[in-house]
Amino acid sequence: NAGVTQTPKFRVLKTGQSMTLLCAQDMNHEYMYWYRQDPGMGLRLIHYSVGEGTTAKGEVPDGYNVSRLKKQNFLLGLESAAPSQTSVYFCASNRGASGNTIYFGEGSWLTVV
Amino acid sequence: QKEVEQDPGPLSVPEGAIVSLNCTYSNSAFQYFMWYRQYSRKGPELLMYTYSSGNKEDGRFTAQVDKSSKYISLFIRDSQPSDSATYLCAMSAATGGSYIPTFGRGTSLIVHP
Repeated sequence: NAGVTQTPKFRVLKTGQSMTLLCAQDMNHEYMYWYRQDPGMGLRLIHYSVGEGTTAKGEVPDGYNVSRLKKQNFLLGLESAAPSQTSVYFCASNRGASGNTIYFGEGSWLTVV
Repeated sequence: QKEVEQDPGPLSVPEGAIVSLNCTYSNSAFQYFMWYRQYSRKGPELLMYTYSSGNKEDGRFTAQVDKSSKYISLFIRDSQPSDSATYLCAMSAATGGSYIPTFGRGTSLIVHP
């Protein structure tokens, strides 16, 4: 059972380039989340989804877009990467609405130069 | 002021010590309280969660919630070097029918032999 899988694991982008991070979960979870984690800042919610076809903004949504076309996938897009988006990105999923059983992926390390 | 405050540490203890990790929060609507452990360059993994106030024990780990003081704790008995990690507290309250967790910044724990 793979759980939550993120691709790619590492990526270096030039300023202004675009890219998409893919998150896939095989647990049939309704809720999915994208977080970024920076030193001293903890985990900050970028966007989340409460079901297929839905998305909502989190704490730090600017510069990012998301899509949830299929229940098992949650895509995070950077349209025009900036150095401030250098971070570790974590995808997570939740089997129910309680928020107490969140499962995280292994992370995607993104560097924007 | 962040909704959830957590001392980043690092907290350094000898093997076998009792460790106390704590978080304070300001949102009285929080209902679920969680502790995650994150090893270096890995995603967070759920350790324990409690609903509302009270204690919960799981092996060497005990979680306590004091809603009147808006204070939660995680105790680790007989700490081991393998417990060395960053511990994140998280809390959630209903937001538009969904539970979106808010994370503390994490406390780095070092258990030395």
